[in-house]
Amino acid sequence: DGGITQSPKYLFRKEGQNVTLSCEQNLNHDAMYWYRQDPGQGLRLIYYSQIVNDFQKGDIAEGYSVSREKKESFPLTVTSAQKNPTAFYLCDSSRQGNYGYTFGSGTRLTVV
Amino acid sequence: AQTVTQSQPEMSVQEAETVTLSCTYDTSENNYYLFWYKQPPSRQMILVIRQEAYKQQNATENRFSVNFQKAAKSFSLKISDSQLGDTAMYFCAFMRTNNNDMRFGAGTRLTVKP
Repeated sequence: DGGITQSPKYLFRKEGQNVTLSCEQNLNHDAMYWYRQDPGQGLRLIYYSQIVNDFQKGDIAEGYSVSREKKESFPLTVTSAQKNPTAFYLCDSSRQGNYGYTFGSGTRLTVV
Repeated sequence: AQTVTQSQPEMSVQEAETVTLSCTYDTSENNYYLFWYKQPPSRQMILVIRQEAYKQQNATENRFSVNFQKAAKSFSLKISDSQLGDTAMYFCAFMRTNNNDMRFGAGTRLTVKP
């Protein structure tokens, strides 16, 4: 079955450490996105990529980095520069035509 | 920049009743797309309904329908015959044409009571 896989589901990180969240899709979608979800704030865009080897900053890109070396993969690295990284992270993708997003099941990141 | 506002942080409805969730947005674009997403306790985001701004007819998907008022920049979601499984967070979202960058509202937490 086609879909988006985010791993791991839960992730714990010590302060000062970088951590990478995985996102893989087999839907043949060109565009992929990373959103952060905090209570009461909805979803905020971190980074997005419309095509392989190209990506754009979203509204809250500071402290995050991404890569898009393959169409299927769009990993997100939360760096030590991110001051408040504890949140729920959603990866999603879309095909051409404004049909909306297909979402992964999310990764809950907790800094300990 | 486009903004999406959901003015109702929480709502509740009795099972089998009808409830309407509000959403307004701000844009200078003429062509765009609007969406409602449902996020149940599993936190999996599920597309509920989609509306194209150039279509005057309101979108409908089974028990879910929208009231799209383009001039007022309003996009409310009506859920008829509410079911316990409708309990979830509901997010309104805006997408410009030819730009898949989507903007979300803060969400409305809906509880369906037995």
